[in-house]
Amino acid sequence: DSGVTQTPKHLITATGQRVTLRCSPRSGDLSVYWYQQSLDQGLQFLIQYYNGEERAKGNILERFSAQQFPDLHSELNLSSLELGDSALYFCASSVEPGGGNNEQFFGPGTRLTVL
Amino acid sequence: GQNIDQPTEMTATEGAIVQINCTYQTSGFNGLFWYQQHAGEAPTFLSYNVLDGLEEKGRFSSFLSRSKGYSYLLLKELQMKDSASYLCAVRASDKLIFGTGTRLQVFP
Repeated sequence: DSGVTQTPKHLITATGQRVTLRCSPRSGDLSVYWYQQSLDQGLQFLIQYYNGEERAKGNILERFSAQQFPDLHSELNLSSLELGDSALYFCASSVEPGGGNNEQFFGPGTRLTVL
Repeated sequence: GQNIDQPTEMTATEGAIVQINCTYQTSGFNGLFWYQQHAGEAPTFLSYNVLDGLEEKGRFSSFLSRSKGYSYLLLKELQMKDSASYLCAVRASDKLIFGTGTRLQVFP
């Protein structure tokens, strides 16, 4: 158990819908990262927040957005869903945003299925 | 741009040694990580290298050559539970860029 929690574990929805994925980082971690992992593909970095502020952006679609709240939990919003958005979405957290042995701890993931 | 290459699949026998290679081309290199990921589960941290050389941690070792853009993960005394994907990831400008992973199958 990494200490990072994600809800829900599974989500099944239809094309065109909007969903929200939630992540609570490890106690004391200020940085939250979101990744997408499609079948047979590597982890794709989406976005990073540090202490409530957006820190780095990866290949995140305009239909996707995220935020980190004052209590440091984060939400990833996916809208106008397409079949290709079906994937495992991981959240990770770390103490610092970068530098040093800044290990990221991963949550169990949310499996999103778009029908 | 950023590019990370790993072999897609490898097989090995229980008790043997296997080396998984990773080559990378990135700007702003600030460390290389290896993660293990069992199917459908979260990646778990194995090792971190930022300086050239070998880091040993039990049955697992990781090597880095920054000038060659090359790393490897060495797994000794393989066990069946080591069957998993091994992800090489490079940190560059606060982002962690992952390779597509190497799926290792260990046979008895």
